[in-house]
Amino acid sequence: EAGVAQSPRYKIIEKRQSVAFWCNPISGHATLYWYQQILGQGPKLLIQFQNNGVVDDSQLPKDRFSAERLKGVDSTLKIQPAKLEDSAVYLCASTPGLADTQYFGPGTRLTVL
Amino acid sequence: TQLLEQSPQFLSIQEGENLTVYCNSSSVFSSLQWYRQEPGEGPVLLVTVVTGGEVKKLKRLTFQFGDARKDSSLHITAAQPGDTGLYLCAGAGSNYQLIWGAGTKLIIKP
Repeated sequence: EAGVAQSPRYKIIEKRQSVAFWCNPISGHATLYWYQQILGQGPKLLIQFQNNGVVDDSQLPKDRFSAERLKGVDSTLKIQPAKLEDSAVYLCASTPGLADTQYFGPGTRLTVL
Repeated sequence: TQLLEQSPQFLSIQEGENLTVYCNSSSVFSSLQWYRQEPGEGPVLLVTVVTGGEVKKLKRLTFQFGDARKDSSLHITAAQPGDTGLYLCAGAGSNYQLIWGAGTKLIIKP
């Protein structure tokens, strides 16, 4: 069974530029999460989808971050414009349902200069 | 706000030694999970503990959930270089969302 796929694996941009990350969850997994993991910290939930609907986006900085999961399968996370403090690893995870084990992708390491 | 505090933040020991990592909170969790994360990878689930006082063993790793379901520990016996990684605990709240600790970075020197 294929795992959670993310791309790109690494991205370096300058502040005020835009960037987008892509996630393809495990087939059949209805719930998808985007996390931000700053160096030295645990993951912080940005947004949770159930199929193509948003369950929780309370910690998503909506002035610059956006995410979508239009067909209830893959998802994109966008940052526009990026700030220095956005430098982090962005992790995508998926589960069959809300109470199930989360399976993580390898993450995208973003560096904002 | 629910918080999980992990200690120590960093641990470097010699191969063969034993160690314990702690995960503490003032909040009660319905379950608690331990993950290991290696550089360039996402966290991978090691174990989930659900019942207060529960002890689970995974080869040389022993996980314990506190009686009040507020804290947990991970004990590694005879640590090996392959145990090196970032160990994260995460508590599940009433809505199944995970509250994460900051992690313990473990280095096992050969």
